[in-house]
Amino acid sequence: EVQLVESGGGLVQPGGSLRLSCAASGFTLNNYDVNWVRQAPGKGLEWVSYISSSGKTIYDADSVKGRFTSSRDNAKNSVYLQMDSLRAEDTAVYYCAREGIGDSHRPFDHWGQGTLITVSS
Amino acid sequence: SYVLTQPPSVSVAPGETARITCGGNNIGSNRVHWYQQKPGQAPLLVIYYNSDRPSGIPERFSGSNSGNTATLTISRVEAGDEADYYCQVWDNSILHRVFGTGTKVTVL
Repeated sequence: EVQLVESGGGLVQPGGSLRLSCAASGFTLNNYDVNWVRQAPGKGLEWVSYISSSGKTIYDADSVKGRFTSSRDNAKNSVYLQMDSLRAEDTAVYYCAREGIGDSHRPFDHWGQGTLITVSS
Repeated sequence: SYVLTQPPSVSVAPGETARITCGGNNIGSNRVHWYQQKPGQAPLLVIYYNSDRPSGIPERFSGSNSGNTATLTISRVEAGDEADYYCQVWDNSILHRVFGTGTKVTVL
């Protein structure tokens, strides 16, 4: 069974840092591009970051550019989101999502269950 | 950046048809995906590449895309279809991924 499991969430003070992990099982994550998507309490989905299967291409949303970025360790079948200079408005559930196979405009075909980040003093 | 606009809510009686729109500049030239999200759950892909259905998704779910509007249609609506629905595309100019504002479907 294909599974993605996020970890590393919790309470952090404004200005602090966290690193989220996304671990895969049931498939080889190395072969897939991965995205991070967040959802603030009671709000809609917001795309945060993308990393290609090789790790060579990374895109970050304007709202987090310069503060967050993705990385991956294919030997560990895992993807990470490094979050620095956290703000109250970064409070959200963070999901990792796999992009399916295809030439372009690939959908997010599998999602993790999400991990909650709360930024508060 | 590319903006996708959805109606905040759609209400429909059981057995009727729900249509959820996703508006964006020339969205018809893009490839649209749709996700269903129930409370406390992760999103689930229900339509990809405008009109394809993943395995396990009922045929009652269909999609179309033309001009400036993409549409998700749910036929013969059931109580279990009550959820939030989001459209999603790639911004072709900068390859960022973009979600629509989301639509809450209520089954009366």
